[in-house]
Amino acid sequence: DIVMTQSPDSLAVSLGERATINCKSSQSVLHSSNNINYLGWYQRKPGQPPKLLIYWASTRESGVPDRFSGSGSGTDFTLTISSLQAEDVAVYYCQQYYSTPLTFGGGTKVEI
Amino acid sequence: EVRLVESGGGVVQPGRSLRLSCTASGFTFGDYGMTWFRQAPGKGLEWVGFIRGKAYGGTTEYAASVKGRFTISRDDSKSIAYLQMNSLRTEDTALYYCSRNPCTYDACYFYSDYWGQGTLVTVSS
Repeated sequence: DIVMTQSPDSLAVSLGERATINCKSSQSVLHSSNNINYLGWYQRKPGQPPKLLIYWASTRESGVPDRFSGSGSGTDFTLTISSLQAEDVAVYYCQQYYSTPLTFGGGTKVEI
Repeated sequence: EVRLVESGGGVVQPGRSLRLSCTASGFTFGDYGMTWFRQAPGKGLEWVGFIRGKAYGGTTEYAASVKGRFTISRDDSKSIAYLQMNSLRTEDTALYYCSRNPCTYDACYFYSDYWGQGTLVTVSS
């Protein structure tokens, strides 16, 4: 199984400041056949299901504000919120879909 | 508008069966894969299994913890995905979510772009 490890566990950021969340996979999620990273990022607010923010490690889902961006390749990935807004308070998860079982990181709680 | 609505949850005794449904609307159901996840109380999200679109054989894959007990199927004519759960155990107690997975001309990809609100399954004597 691919183990996803996120850091930090929680993060307090001032409004308008940058938030950076890291995700490391225990093996590469870069598919050699197409050179694409099978890595997604989700936002989860209390009482709600996850919401897809980023897929293929850096492709923003339709409707997601451009302050959210994803980067990285292979085993090391980053989700950046460039200017934190109040509505961004949530838990953020990375997920690999390179191989089964699909696995998630433990989550990073972002607070103001 | 894309909507996924899970139903069928409830309280069930260990060893019994339950079938969950995920009713979809707002998109061409047969063009997508469907994944089931669950979240047990106080624990993280766990992948249960998925089913590919019919164009990719409608094949399924399962987590080791449910393989042989759970079966995912789909009825594209009704836009419903099912999760048949047999031989339920107390550790299957969780909120179960279905989600949608995009497929292209050559494969289905298992990131989840839409999720339902979940249905609660409690396995208890």
